Amino acid sequence: QIQLVQSGPELKKPGESVKISCKASGYTFTDYAMHWVKQAPGKGLKWMGWINTYTGKPTYADDFKGRFVFSLEASASTANLQISNLKNEDTATYFCAREGAFDYWGQGVMVTVSS
Amino acid sequence: DIQMTQSPSFLSASVGDRVTINCKASQNINKYLNWYQQKLGEAPKRLIYNTNNLQTGIPSRFSGSGSGTDYTLTISSLQPEDFATYFCLQHNSFPGTFGSGTKLEIK
Repeated sequence: QIQLVQSGPELKKPGESVKISCKASGYTFTDYAMHWVKQAPGKGLKWMGWINTYTGKPTYADDFKGRFVFSLEASASTANLQISNLKNEDTATYFCAREGAFDYWGQGVMVTVSS
Repeated sequence: DIQMTQSPSFLSASVGDRVTINCKASQNINKYLNWYQQKLGEAPKRLIYNTNNLQTGIPSRFSGSGSGTDYTLTISSLQPEDFATYFCLQHNSFPGTFGSGTKLEIK
């Protein structure tokens, strides 16, 4: 069956970096783009952008340009999200979701940024 | 960006009740509206896609309707496992945007 399994929770200090992963199984990884979605505590969901899993080309929403990088390990059917120079407002759960109109989602990764 | 206004934010209901959740878009989204169920610590689960198409494996007590700017998720007879948070997503226009969520609680 189709699954997206994300890496575990992260606790970081402001200014540090974090890399979270999303491993896909049950389908051909390069057939579907991957989206990233942010859910801050008590807030709604916000689309961060997506990555073309065939070409590796990322597209970022305006609010996520600069410190956010989407990447792939296509041989491992894995999409990654790296956030650099972490700020308190990056504290959130980050989801990956498969294109196919967001049909399958990962379980989310809680990233906590605190000094 | 298209704004999605979801209502109500909280809903208290009993097992067996019929409930409806609404999403209103700031412009026509041509029925490109999905509904999801989210439980704590779990991946969101797509229930309905493109307004009224039931995702494989989802019980038929879930249904969707709507057109233009107004969309509705209906649960015909609540079951204990349905108490969760629900949200909508429009994917008609880039970027996709989400409703703010409805927390469905047991009365």
